[in-house]
Amino acid sequence: DIVMTQSPDSLAVSLGERATINCKSSQSVLYSSNNQNYLAWYQQKPGQPPKLLIYWASTRESGVPDRFSGSGSGTDFTLTVSSLQAEDVAVYYCQQYYNLPYTFGQGTKLEIK
Amino acid sequence: EVQLVESGGGLVQPGGSLRLSCAASGFTFSNYAMIWVRQAPGRGLEWVSAVSVSVSGPYYADSVRGRFTVSRDNSKNTVYLQMNSLRAEDTAVYYCAKDGIITEGGPQGFFDYWGQGSLVTVSS
Repeated sequence: DIVMTQSPDSLAVSLGERATINCKSSQSVLYSSNNQNYLAWYQQKPGQPPKLLIYWASTRESGVPDRFSGSGSGTDFTLTVSSLQAEDVAVYYCQQYYNLPYTFGQGTKLEIK
Repeated sequence: EVQLVESGGGLVQPGGSLRLSCAASGFTFSNYAMIWVRQAPGRGLEWVSAVSVSVSGPYYADSVRGRFTVSRDNSKNTVYLQMNSLRAEDTAVYYCAKDGIITEGGPQGFFDYWGQGSLVTVSS
């Protein structure tokens, strides 16, 4: 199984500042035949289901604010919130869909400083 | 509007069974693989199972293989998760999710819509 490791486990950032969450996979999730990274990011607020933010490592889901961006390739990925808003307080998960079983990172809790 | 509504959760004793249902609407159900993901209290997300559009699969996590059975009824736009031989460690909120990529085969990867979840508690 591919192990997904996120860092940090928790993060406190001031409103309007940048937040950066890292995700590392135990093996590459870059599929050479189509040059796509099989990596997604989700946001989960308390009491709610996860919400898809980013797929193919950097494609923003429709309706997701452009302050959210994804980057990286191979085994190292980053989710960036360019200017933190109060409504961004949540737990964020990365997920690989390169192969089954699909696996998630342990989550990063993002809070306001 | 895409909607996924889970039902069937509840309290069950160890060794017991439950069947979860997920009723889908707002999209062409027969064009997408469907997925179950669970989340134990205070814990992270765990992929559980996927059911294909075609005859491929179904697919299971090692932790549930041989005990859980996933199925779908395209005439009812519903996916099911039959859970047998339940254990305390199966206690979780179970989410139904829609695969994000149209397919004629198995699951493709990311999950673009999720239900609100159904709580399963395994306890004596």
